[in-house]
Order: sequence, then C-alpha cells, then structure tokens
Amino acid sequence: DAKTTQPPSMDCAEGRAANLPCNHSTISGNEYVYWYRQIHSQGPQYIIHGLKNNETNEMASLIITEDRKSSTLILPHATLRDTAVYYCIVRVGVWGAQKLVFGQGTRLTINP
Amino acid sequence: DAMVIQNPRYQVTQFGKPVTLSCSQTLNHNVMYWYQQKSSQAPKLLFHYYDKDFNNEADTPDNFQSRRPNTSFCFLDIRSPGLGDAAMYLCATGQGGETQYFGPGTRLLVL
Repeated sequence: DAKTTQPPSMDCAEGRAANLPCNHSTISGNEYVYWYRQIHSQGPQYIIHGLKNNETNEMASLIITEDRKSSTLILPHATLRDTAVYYCIVRVGVWGAQKLVFGQGTRLTINP
Repeated sequence: DAMVIQNPRYQVTQFGKPVTLSCSQTLNHNVMYWYQQKSSQAPKLLFHYYDKDFNNEADTPDNFQSRRPNTSFCFLDIRSPGLGDAAMYLCATGQGGETQYFGPGTRLLVL
C-alpha cells in the first residue's frame, strides 16, 4: 500500500505558484520522498526527491517538514503545460530493490 | 539523448494470443522495471530485474513473464492475454536504488 495521502484534485491559476501537499506520517528515517507527474497518456516524469532537507531544481521546489511527516511540492510559476497528475511517493525497500508504490495522486489543473 | 524507449506505443492483440512488449534503454542502468497502469488508476509494479536477477511482486499473475537478454533490453510477455489485461504498460530504469526514469508506455488493447 502507498504510504502517502494527497488531495485528489487541485486548481491553480496560470502564472501563480502551485503548492501540492502530501502526508507521509509513517515514513522511516532512511526513506526518500519522490515526486513524479504524469501528463495524459504519457509515462511518469521525474520531478524531484528529498530525504530531510528542502530541495530545488529547474522544475520545482520540495519542502519537507522537520518531522518528515509531510511535504509540499511547489511549482513556482505554473503554466498550462503543468496540468497533470502529480504523485508523491515514499520510496521503500533496500538497495537494489527500491520500489515506487504509487498512490492515487493529485490531479492538478492549471487554468488560464 | 539518453532515454527509455518502448515499442510499439500501441499494441492490439486477441484474447488468449501471446504478446510481447519491448523496452530498451541507452542509460546503461542496471535495474529495469515493468509497471501496469489500468485506466484511471495509478501505476502498479509487476516485477523488476536487478542486473540478471528477476524479482517478481507477490501479486503479479503467472500470466506475466519477463526476459532481460542484456543490459539494454527487457521484454514483457503476456502468455494468454485476457480482457482484464488491457492497460498501459510502463517500463522504467534506474541505477541501483536511485531515481527511476520511465518510458512513454505501450497501450495494450485486447480484442
């Protein structure tokens, strides 16, 4: 079973920051939080991941709470092309057997 | 560009007729994964290869098999497709336990 819970859907206006929350209250100390997105009929696209510290790359920022029980993905300036299903995943397993257990994700709609 | 390639993008097969889906990668990753994604559902891991070692998920039906003849290629064989096997099949690769990168998927239709 997925170790994360996300709101099923969210809306955001184009050009604004999109903040997608994720709860992972049972995360273990050595488990990473990963974010992927899936645009309709395409394969999931890797966005970002983190363990304890906040992370930023060219696509997004990841804010992880100090107790690691929740995180927020931030798309700083959302565009229409960011409309997708966003999956927050806790990567489980040991080295060489890492698994991504997908939950239902958040369907993000960017409105003009 | 390094990538994960899946062919074909769309595959039509007949009920009970064996079908093979293929995945290749130019990333030289040692792990290759196969996921099944049914309509309006999240991807679900079927199995993965760590180098030549095959690792099956406990709830993957016996109807699904896989082969990995070399580092670059991995195949998904469905021995007797049923109507319930119609889905998008996603291949992903990773180096050890690191980030997985997905291909575009093959959408399978069973008639």
